[in-house]
Amino acid sequence: NAGVTQTPKFQVLKTGQSMTLQCAQDMNHEYMSWYRQDPGMGLRLIHYSVGAGITDQGEVPNGYNVSRSTTEDFPLRLLSAAPSQTSVYFCASSLRQGIYGYTFGSGTRLTVV
Amino acid sequence: GDSVTQMEGPVTLSEEAFLTINCTYTATGYPSLFWYVQYPGEGLQLLLKATKADDKGSNKGFEATYRKETTSFHLEKGSVQVSDSAVYFCALSMNTGFQKLVFGTGTRLLVSP
Repeated sequence: NAGVTQTPKFQVLKTGQSMTLQCAQDMNHEYMSWYRQDPGMGLRLIHYSVGAGITDQGEVPNGYNVSRSTTEDFPLRLLSAAPSQTSVYFCASSLRQGIYGYTFGSGTRLTVV
Repeated sequence: GDSVTQMEGPVTLSEEAFLTINCTYTATGYPSLFWYVQYPGEGLQLLLKATKADDKGSNKGFEATYRKETTSFHLEKGSVQVSDSAVYFCALSMNTGFQKLVFGTGTRLLVSP
């Protein structure tokens, strides 16, 4: 099925561990982004990419790293997990023109203990 | 900076009642406006959009009109169903640069039979 695929769906980490959240899309979208969703705060942009090899920071980039080696994939790395990173993470993609709206993955629920 | 404010929830309605969820925005310029819906355990889905003043977005019986004079984009539906129970997010995207989405905090809708 065409769309945005995120793995894993659930993850529990210990403080200080690292991990990578995977995101892949098969719609040939140029724009990809990562958001985190926290209660009462809506979704906040972590990092984004406007094409392969090009990434930039969003509102809340600290503690996260990204790279974009292909159009399809945009992994998010947690370098040293902290309890404040407990959240639901969403990957999204869109055509260059954002007016068409973004397609979201189903999310990764991360708990850091 | 750009921001979106939407009414606090939860909004609790009986089936077939009229729904309004208020959304106002602040932006330097003329954004595109969106409503996204999130069903339990799922990612966000684009519900409707409007890209310029006085445009009306509509989908699945939901409507919202882009009002530049009141900087609003209120979501309405004439007769809600139990299956409409979800969290609704208002969002904007500026039509320059990366065109990132700026979200409101979300409004939970609960519809009872």
